[in-house]
Amino acid sequence: RKEVEQDPGPFNVPEGATVAFNCTYSNSASQSFFWYRQDCRKEPKLLMSVYSSGNEDGRFTAQLNRASQYISLLIRDSKLSDSATYLCVVNPPPGEYGNKLVFGAGTILRVKS
Amino acid sequence: DVKVTQSSRYLVKRTGEKVFLECVQDMDHENMFWYRQDPGLGLRLIYFSYDVKMKEKGDIPEGYSVSREKKERFSLILESASTNQTSMYLCASMGGVRPQHFGDGTRLSIL
Repeated sequence: RKEVEQDPGPFNVPEGATVAFNCTYSNSASQSFFWYRQDCRKEPKLLMSVYSSGNEDGRFTAQLNRASQYISLLIRDSKLSDSATYLCVVNPPPGEYGNKLVFGAGTILRVKS
Repeated sequence: DVKVTQSSRYLVKRTGEKVFLECVQDMDHENMFWYRQDPGLGLRLIYFSYDVKMKEKGDIPEGYSVSREKKERFSLILESASTNQTSMYLCASMGGVRPQHFGDGTRLSIL
C-alpha cells in the first residue's frame, strides 16, 4: 500500500462548480499534513496546511480525519486559474535521520468555461 | 520568503557524462531533498540530507549520489548519465516540521 494515495483524476468541472478531493495516508502516527498545488511544468507550491479542526482559506477548505486517515480539499466557486495538479502531502513521524514529507502522486483538476 | 535556487532550468547532456545539479537555499534549513518527477509517477525522493555531510537514500537512489559540504548547498550527481535519467529534478528544503519549499526545477535531457 502506498503511503499517500490520491485519485489521479482528471476532474473536469465547469467554472463556478464545487469540487472535492480526498487523500488517504497509511501511517496513523503522521504529524502534519499539507496540500500543494503544481502548475504544468512548474514546481509544487504550498497551497495550505491542514489542521485537525479543519481550516479555510478563501474558497479553499481543508479537513483532516485522523480516525479514518484521510484528508480532503474542497474548492468552491472554481475558477479557470484553479486548473492544476493538487498534491496531498503527509509528514510521517521523524525517523532516525530527520524529517521528510511524503507526496501523493497528485489529482489533476481542469476547470472549463 | 524562503528561496531555493537550482543552478539550471534546462540541461542537455550525453550518455555517460558525469552531471552535477546544484541547489542552494537561504533559510538555514537543516533538511534538503532531491526529487525527480516523471509523468504518472509523481514526485519520487532520490536522496535527502538532514545536516551537513549527512545524507540518506530515498526511494530511488540508484545511479545517483549527493554531496552536502555546506548547510546551504545540496548537490545531486549523476555518476554516468543514462537516458532513463531524463526527467524533471526538483530540490527542496525544510526547517523542522514546516512545509518544504521547492526550487524551480531542472529539466534534464540525456541524449
